[in-house]
This record gives sequence, C-alpha cells and structure tokens, in this order.
Amino acid sequence: VVMTQSPATLSVSPGERVTLSCRASQSVGNNLAWYQQKPGQAPRLLIYDAFTGATGIPARFSGSASGTEFTLTIGSLQSEDFAVYYCQQYEKWPLTFGGGTKVEIK
Amino acid sequence: QVQLVESGGGVVQPGSSLRLSCAASGFTFSTYVMHWVRQAPGKGLEWVAVISPDGTNKYYGDSAKGRFTISRDNSRNTLYLQMNSLRIDDTAVYYCARKGGAATGSHWFDSWGQGTLVTVSS
Repeated sequence: VVMTQSPATLSVSPGERVTLSCRASQSVGNNLAWYQQKPGQAPRLLIYDAFTGATGIPARFSGSASGTEFTLTIGSLQSEDFAVYYCQQYEKWPLTFGGGTKVEIK
Repeated sequence: QVQLVESGGGVVQPGSSLRLSCAASGFTFSTYVMHWVRQAPGKGLEWVAVISPDGTNKYYGDSAKGRFTISRDNSRNTLYLQMNSLRIDDTAVYYCARKGGAATGSHWFDSWGQGTLVTVSS
C-alpha cells in the first residue's frame, strides 16, 4: 500500500490551524497512525486507529478519515510542533509509511 | 517507564555483516510483538521486520528478505537484527519499536528506541 502525504513542506505561523493529508493507494480501513519526528529524535506516536490520540498527546492534535484520505489537524500550532509528520498504515503487509510532511516556521 | 536502547551500529564495508541489539526495560518484553524500522539519512521511515512475542513468527520487508534475520532472547529482554550482505543503500538509523495495539492487526508503534546508525561504505 503506497501512502502519499501532502504537502511535502508546510510553512505556517505559530497559532495557525494546520491540516496535513495522507492518502492510501487502497483501502486500509481505519488502520492508520500518525507520528511526529523532530531532528535527531525518534518518531513519537500521535494518533492511532485514524482517530485515537495516544497517551499524553495534547488535545490540539486530532485525526480524521474519509475513505482512503486521512487528515491530521493541529488546532493551534505551538512552537514545539515544528517537526516532520508521518502517516503509517497497518492494514496490509508490508507496513508502509508516507514520505512525510515537514511543518516549518513561516 | 518503557525504555528501548539500540546498539551495534557502526561503519562497515559493502558485503559485510552486522548484528544490532535492542535492550528493553520497563515492560514485560516477552509479551510484546517487536519491530525494526529504519531511516536513511534525510529520508523517510521504512519498516524492516517484525517478530512475535515467542519468536516463532517473523516477517520481513522486501529490502530485508534473504539478508536480515530478526530474533529475540526473552531471557535477556533483547531484540536482535542480524544483517548480512550489507549494501550501501542499507545505510540508515535503525530503530527498534514496540507494537502498540493489543489487537492482532494493530501494528502501530507506541515506543521507539533512540536508534543506532549503520553506515555501509567502501
């Protein structure tokens, strides 16, 4: 399953609402996770099962889905949210990730 | 708290072998499915391999099939990745990661190690 994320880079200002997209090449149900990765760090789980926030993740992070289109929304971007975001499907083997969206400061 | 610590990375020549380790603590290692995920420099994430809690079931991504072997020692709370016939395009940070969901198909990753860098270069 090919996961396509868009855009590749997003330039935003702190406080803005941000929407990141991830499209699956075939149905993955709701078997979709989102991760955040900062430079030099391991990825951190944000969302699983398309909608469910992981433990300790701020409420400003939310996930939604419509068919094979998935969205990660950051309600009001904080300075610590500038990072790369990846989606990952776990419906079919092999597990696959999207190419990532970098959220940078405008 | 959950801790995963990888080791064993380094600089090797093409065609050589390397064994990575991942020491787990803070949870009952023997009851969890474990994965390896890698990331080439400046690139995205690529899933490598998975192993069942008792070590009997293993599955590999295309890039690892026939060259890499995942294993575990539950008595030592350690996950391994034996990598043979290494190629330049195997250069990456290798992460071990814990399967997060309790359901059979829930292969998302709730805990990650800090990664170990493998550089394959002549």
